[in-house]
Amino acid sequence: NAGVTQTPKFRILKIGQSMTLQCTQDMNHNYMYWYRQDPGMGLKLIYYSVGAGITDKGEVPNGYNVSRSTTEDFPLRLELAAPSQTSVYFCASSPRPGRTSNQPQHFGDGTRLSIL
Amino acid sequence: GENVGLHLPTLSVQEGDNSIINCAYSNSASDYFIWYKQESGKGPQFIIDIRSNMDKRQGQRVTVLLNKTVKHLSLQIAATQPGDSAVYFCAENMRGSARQLTFGSGTQLTVLP
Repeated sequence: NAGVTQTPKFRILKIGQSMTLQCTQDMNHNYMYWYRQDPGMGLKLIYYSVGAGITDKGEVPNGYNVSRSTTEDFPLRLELAAPSQTSVYFCASSPRPGRTSNQPQHFGDGTRLSIL
Repeated sequence: GENVGLHLPTLSVQEGDNSIINCAYSNSASDYFIWYKQESGKGPQFIIDIRSNMDKRQGQRVTVLLNKTVKHLSLQIAATQPGDSAVYFCAENMRGSARQLTFGSGTQLTVLP
């Protein structure tokens, strides 16, 4: 299994440009997540999905959009890139938790995005 | 919102010594806690987790301790090795929150030769 795969690994955008960060997982996980990590900081949740067709906002959703048309893919869209969106973006996935069990999230290696 | 914070931003230990990384949390509704290791240029890697109905859990060379009375979590690494050098994050999950994790800001562990 490849686990969680993110593309691209690096990208530089100009202010106002748009792009889609790709995330795919081959573990048949129901839950998927997008985080951003600013330098020296922990991860902040942008959006998450508990299954195909279902998405919800996290802590910092402004300026982003997501879709979940399949179990495997969870792309993150930036419509009008702003310097404040310069960050490292991580996608994660986890199985649906059982009634008495928990499952940790598994992370990709991130997309490093700079907005200039 | 509620915070998950770490007591020390950096920790340096001699190779072979034991390491203890601490984490304070303030959300009493959290019922699941995870420790992640993040190496430079990589995503967070799962180390060990613990549910709120436990106070200790052991893995290979790692032990997590949970003190719900004072809302404190710690990660103990035995016989620390150079490959343990990384940033360590604790994360908490609040009961019923679709497994959303709240992360602390991390502790940089440096293993000295």
